Amino acid sequence: QVQLQESGPGLVKFSETLSLTCAVSGHSISSGYYWGWVRQPPNKGLEWIGNIYHNGLPYYNPSLERRVTISVDTSRNQVSLKLNSVTATDTAVYYCVRSARQSDWVDNWGQGTLVTASS
Amino acid sequence: DIQMTQSPSTLSASVGDRISITCRASQSISTWLAWYQQKPGKAPKILIYKASTLASGVPSRFSGSGSGTEFTLSISSLQPEDFATYYCHQYDSHSPSLTFGGGTKVDVK
Repeated sequence: QVQLQESGPGLVKFSETLSLTCAVSGHSISSGYYWGWVRQPPNKGLEWIGNIYHNGLPYYNPSLERRVTISVDTSRNQVSLKLNSVTATDTAVYYCVRSARQSDWVDNWGQGTLVTASS
Repeated sequence: DIQMTQSPSTLSASVGDRISITCRASQSISTWLAWYQQKPGKAPKILIYKASTLASGVPSRFSGSGSGTEFTLSISSLQPEDFATYYCHQYDSHSPSLTFGGGTKVDVK
């Protein structure tokens, strides 16, 4: 059974770069599926950030495209998220997610990790 | 982007009630719609995909319907474990981004 585990700093300063890693177990990233990120500000709704295939181009939410990078490391079976120039509005729980296709429902979610942007 | 509007934002109900939640898309998405359930402090869990297909392990009291721009999630007989927040999610490949509805919180009446 696939498991997704997010990790990274819980606190990021304004204007700096948020960096998270998702360790995937129970499934080889190289075997297929799309891997990505969804975030949820405290007490608010869900926002799709983007996703990537193991050997393909990433797809990003146009509202975040200028600041976001999603990549995969197949040797470590990990997915990474970088979001630069963070502001208070980037404070959220960040979920690592899996989908069967680029545009598809999410069939697996990580437990999520809270990242707070602060001065 | 395709905007997804859920209603109501909060629904108060009792155990045993039949409830329905509506999700409207700003343009047609065929049946490219999923529903998730989220409990406090937990990740969302898939309930329904392709508008009406029940995900594996989801109780049959949950059902989904609709196509185009209007969709409904129904729970035939509300159980104690169903008090949660529900989100719709469009995944139409013609849209530049995948988007979620604002959520519907189902609480105790």
